[in-house]
Amino acid sequence: LAKTTQPISMDSYEGQEVNITCSHNNIATNDYITWYQQFPSQGPRFIIQGYKTKVTNEVASLFIPADRKSSTLSLPRVSLSDTAVYYCLVGESGSARQLTFGSGTQLTVLP
Amino acid sequence: GAVVSQHPSWVICKSGTSVKIECRSLDFQATTMFWYRQFPKQSLMLMATSNEGSKATYEQGVEKDKFLINHASLTLSTLTVTSAHPEDSSFYICSARHPGTDGYTFGSGTRLTVV
Repeated sequence: LAKTTQPISMDSYEGQEVNITCSHNNIATNDYITWYQQFPSQGPRFIIQGYKTKVTNEVASLFIPADRKSSTLSLPRVSLSDTAVYYCLVGESGSARQLTFGSGTQLTVLP
Repeated sequence: GAVVSQHPSWVICKSGTSVKIECRSLDFQATTMFWYRQFPKQSLMLMATSNEGSKATYEQGVEKDKFLINHASLTLSTLTVTSAHPEDSSFYICSARHPGTDGYTFGSGTRLTVV
């Protein structure tokens, strides 16, 4: 079971780029890496998913090195509304393992 | 986009009573749905996998007789907390996957308070 390790918390300022790194040393060949965002008293929201190299969408980028033992979520020019908990999940597409949440990273964006 | 509707958003019940939480996929069919529980300041804990037309699969340590799951249609799964106690007070969340999309869509959650 690919366990994930993330920093417990991070602080940033508005307008800065934020990079959150997740370690997953035991990632399996068929595992995908998925990031979710959660605000208090709400369900998580899908941000981005990738398998290798780089993936970019309208809200974030995901960088995955060749060995896939870690991944970095990059949020460009954060705002106060990006304050949330960010979770990195690793698992095979469609499996319950893909939905095993770790402790997450509390990102606080300061004015 | 894919929408998962969860109802109610909050509920208060007395100890010993049962509470039903509904999870609906609004614009897609979901043969599988997942139920989570989240205590304050903690991460989500997967409780069970709900399978349409068959029995749910429960994670280790989750009492299947206490947390009854029914997935009678391709768009609806229900979680019933039976004989609720104050320690069952928590935030319950469901999720499903829209075919052809990445990731999972989560409901907005249900805040259960047992008094």
